[in-house]
Amino acid sequence: KAGVTQTPRYLIKTRGQQVTLSCSPISGHRSVSWYQQTPGQGLQFLFEYFSETQRNKGNFPGRFSGRQFSNSRSEMNVSTLELGDSALYLCASSRTLDKDTQYFGPGTRLTVL
Amino acid sequence: EDQVTQSPEALRLQEGESSSLNCSYTVSGLRGLFWYRQDPGKGPEFLFTLYSAGEEKEKERLKATLTKKESFLHITAPKPEDSATYLCAVQGGRGGKLQFGAGTQVVVTP
Repeated sequence: KAGVTQTPRYLIKTRGQQVTLSCSPISGHRSVSWYQQTPGQGLQFLFEYFSETQRNKGNFPGRFSGRQFSNSRSEMNVSTLELGDSALYLCASSRTLDKDTQYFGPGTRLTVL
Repeated sequence: EDQVTQSPEALRLQEGESSSLNCSYTVSGLRGLFWYRQDPGKGPEFLFTLYSAGEEKEKERLKATLTKKESFLHITAPKPEDSATYLCAVQGGRGGKLQFGAGTQVVVTP
């Protein structure tokens, strides 16, 4: 069974640009969550989606947004990039939201110059 | 607000030297506690899920236990390939959001 896939794996952008990251969950999984990982803050929750609806959102500014499609694939978008947005962005999928194990993808390494 | 604290921050072990990692948590209504290992530059790899106090799970050289306030990850006779950062996360409240600890970086030397 294929795992969670994320594209692209690496990305370099400049301040002020916008970026879109993609995540394909494990087949049969309907929930997708996004996390930001930095050396200083560790793993921070961004948002989660289930059946195309955002169910929960972390404490990030409105520049961070996401969506989920009918096939459970998800995208997240960051507009007006700042240097501090440089991080590893991780996507995780699970069958449901409650009490269910989340399986992580390899991440997208975003560098903002 | 849910909080997760892991200790120690770093652990250096000789091959075969058993040890334990601690994860203490405060959460309103624990729905699950999760252990992951993460290698540099990679996504976290799932190890265990624990749901209630008293529960234990084992996998090869790893054993996870859970009480009402903390969880332990015991590493028995570690090998160099067990070197990684071990992350603990809790799920409480609404939805599937995971609150992660900062991790314990484990280095096992031959």
